[in-house]
Amino acid sequence: GAVVSQHPSRVICKSGTSVKIECRSLDFQATTMFWYRQFPKQSLMLMATSNEGSKATYEQGVEKDKFLINHASLTLSTLTVTSAHPEDSSFYICSARKIAGEAETQYFGPGTRLLVL
Amino acid sequence: GQNIDQPTEMTATEGAIVQINCTYQTSGFNGLFWYQQHAGEAPTFLSYNVLDGLEEKGRFSSFLSRSKGYSYLLLKELQMKDSASYLCAAMDSNYQLIWGAGTKLIIKP
Repeated sequence: GAVVSQHPSRVICKSGTSVKIECRSLDFQATTMFWYRQFPKQSLMLMATSNEGSKATYEQGVEKDKFLINHASLTLSTLTVTSAHPEDSSFYICSARKIAGEAETQYFGPGTRLLVL
Repeated sequence: GQNIDQPTEMTATEGAIVQINCTYQTSGFNGLFWYQQHAGEAPTFLSYNVLDGLEEKGRFSSFLSRSKGYSYLLLKELQMKDSASYLCAAMDSNYQLIWGAGTKLIIKP
């Protein structure tokens, strides 16, 4: 079946540094990918919708200059957390939308755990 | 309104099988997730179902019936490390996840 991978699976960084998270669709092309964030004991929140070849669409309250999204190819979207702070520590999950004819399916990555010290 | 229901707590014996049920009502449907969460840790993704049927992944299997708004997570050959909370979440038409309160699974020797 379709597989979506994320790299790295977990990362620890110092406050003020930038962290890049990759999301790849391994066996299908995805014009649309989604980025989610989950804080401990809270629901998974949609951050932004990533569209190949165009600007991402951010949800209300998500800083686009802090969370940079690049969807440069049909199999890769990246999320860069710039100038990370401890409050950015969270679980980040991506998903990729696969469209086959009239059928549409979303496939989720395993997630990336970010800890900012 | 949107709602997810799952049992609050379940107890099972090491080596046995347990089924955790989840019913949902959402505005539109884009799939159902199961997560495992150990105390003090972030949830770990277990499965995602968007089509009816059973998907098996090692000791864990997940089932979905869209017409019934029902899913279950089946855990086989239970191990002590499976003691955790199991979270069910349905994704609505806006790609937002609606979460259940979680089922605390207690495994006894």
